[in-house]
Amino acid sequence: AQSVSQHNHHVILSEAASLELGCNYSYGGTVNLFWYVQYPGQHLQLLLKYFSGDPLVKGIKGFEAEFIKSKFSFNLRKPSVQWSDTAEYFCAVNGGGGFKTIFGAGTRLFVKA
Amino acid sequence: DTGVSQNPRHKITKRGQNVTFRCDPISEHNRLYWYRQTLGQGPEFLTYFQNEAQLEKSRLLSDRFSAERPKGSFSTLEIQRTEQGDSAMYLCASSQAPGRPQYFGPGTRLTVL
Repeated sequence: AQSVSQHNHHVILSEAASLELGCNYSYGGTVNLFWYVQYPGQHLQLLLKYFSGDPLVKGIKGFEAEFIKSKFSFNLRKPSVQWSDTAEYFCAVNGGGGFKTIFGAGTRLFVKA
Repeated sequence: DTGVSQNPRHKITKRGQNVTFRCDPISEHNRLYWYRQTLGQGPEFLTYFQNEAQLEKSRLLSDRFSAERPKGSFSTLEIQRTEQGDSAMYLCASSQAPGRPQYFGPGTRLTVL
């Protein structure tokens, strides 16, 4: 069965600090990988996605993620966070292009101004 | 706004009552998903439609839950004889194809007293 593990449930950073959120998944085949973000009071929206090709993918607002197949990981990074990045971040995996996408439990990021 | 919409946004009901939620997906998306999200967790898959056909139901979806998408456009999720454990955020999402990014609505927050 597919599963997604996000290592940190809560992260607190100061503005300009670097961010890395861990995500590991379990699935033996081809995967599509996603990071979604939920800003306070807003609905879930796509931050970035990986389907194939370059394992380093760039998303909106300066975020990027790296797919490391050997580690079953898809960590999210941002070199310098802003107060407006305060949100909850969800890693998600879709196995083999099927209908089912599995979400991690989420990481709440709070950025201090 | 051509995003996914959900109604109502909030529903408070007494235990044992029936409730129905509606989701209007993005018009050109023929895939529609329902998820449930509780505090501290990511969205959990409930069910999936391709056009009007309900192709998969999670074991989380007990007999008290039923979902329809009669004309392949909007969808409804009904919960009969609600229980306190049904209290959650119910999310709807749509996509153009399985495995592709899903676009989420704002959710319906259900509180069962």
